[in-house]
Amino acid sequence: QSVLTQPPSVSGTPGQRVSISCSGSSSNIGSGTVNWFQQFPGTAPKLVMSRNNQRPSGVPDRFSGSKSGTSASLAISGLQSEDEADYYCAAWDDSLNAYVFGTGTKVTVL
Amino acid sequence: EVQLVESGGGLVQPGGSLRLSCAASGFTFIDKWMHWVRQAPGKGLVWVSYVNNDGSVTNYADSVKGRFTISRDNAKNTLYLEMNSLRGEDTAVYYCVRDSWGIDYWGQGALVTVSS
Repeated sequence: QSVLTQPPSVSGTPGQRVSISCSGSSSNIGSGTVNWFQQFPGTAPKLVMSRNNQRPSGVPDRFSGSKSGTSASLAISGLQSEDEADYYCAAWDDSLNAYVFGTGTKVTVL
Repeated sequence: EVQLVESGGGLVQPGGSLRLSCAASGFTFIDKWMHWVRQAPGKGLVWVSYVNNDGSVTNYADSVKGRFTISRDNAKNTLYLEMNSLRGEDTAVYYCVRDSWGIDYWGQGALVTVSS
């Protein structure tokens, strides 16, 4: 049911930069904006990036987002232990008239 | 402060029904589209349904179409999800989600377990 493709996992050491990709199509990422969510076990997802590259208030500036064509990415620079979580991308799909989510990426801090 | 508080989850037998509610506060409810998103144990996020701001337009994931009904009461700032003919694969945490130029705030979730 996931229409957006993400790598299952990425990892890095503290201080490193990691990037999570999100691949879609012309009916979703290609025609709109992407939001990114962070989720810790047993808790609700939290918005960490809005409209491709807008950081909500309170989100550290080590998080950045970008979009190009039918793909988007979320980067975390200066990786910290508290960044270890699952991350999901999401976009509206004009063909399905529905929201679509990415497959999810687990970020591990080594 | 935006708050979304789900209620109504629980254990239900296959074929049974359940109604989830989501009480919204901290924003002008009537201005926003709202969604339900679910997450099965150990799995990813799956969109379930949406309703536009005045309740006149809805849509559903194919997996729940014909069984689930989304609605809202703007006078009570409350979103609903009526779930009928429940199946084991409907077991999940159900989240109420606000849409403000894209989905942003999530409730804490309501666990629905379908089992005999």
